[in-house]
Amino acid sequence: ETGVTQTPRHLVMGMTNKKSLKCEQHLGHNAMYWYKQSAKKPLELMFVYSLEERVENNSVPSRFSPECPNSSHLFLHLHTLQPEDSALYLCASSQDRVNSPLHFGNGTRLTVT
Amino acid sequence: QKEVEQDPGPLSVPEGAIVSLNCTYSNSAFQYFMWYRQYSRKGPELLMYTYSSGNKEDGRFTAQVDKSSKYISLFIRDSQPSDSATYLCAMSFQYNNNDMRFGAGTRLTVKP
Repeated sequence: ETGVTQTPRHLVMGMTNKKSLKCEQHLGHNAMYWYKQSAKKPLELMFVYSLEERVENNSVPSRFSPECPNSSHLFLHLHTLQPEDSALYLCASSQDRVNSPLHFGNGTRLTVT
Repeated sequence: QKEVEQDPGPLSVPEGAIVSLNCTYSNSAFQYFMWYRQYSRKGPELLMYTYSSGNKEDGRFTAQVDKSSKYISLFIRDSQPSDSATYLCAMSFQYNNNDMRFGAGTRLTVKP
């Protein structure tokens, strides 16, 4: 079992659907992150949670809604997405937000049709 | 001008070659520099990190930072097919994950 587990690995959804991405970390870390990775573009930080409180929201459209019920679990709720939202969504965790390396999951490949 | 520039490649080399991967950046306030390796269908994993200028070596890998030129490099000696991956550079001001800036990644293939 990897340290950071993401489900599902692949997701195809229509523009009117509602779906959720799940992330679980088994490392005892205090901070969790959502990143978006599009082809030939840098990783984009979307949300940061520290000790279950959201501390960063980088101008992400409201059709993306994060949830962190406890320090081990992170969700990304999706609704009325656009085709340009198709990307690899990566979850990461770190012991703290500073001086701690990021540990990434293997991502969810999202396709919006 | 992008904050972090990285040639996306792809870069293809024969096994045993020395590989040089590079990034340039525009903000001289960056102090922490990282290299991540991302295998196909996997998440990135931290390979090396350096603080400020200078070199850092770990086995076949050497990370080099030239702050005067705003240029960082990752050298891979005696490259192996298992080194085939996408390499991402990243940098931050205070090693704060909130302000980490990533390059777009360079895709490397090492052919046997």
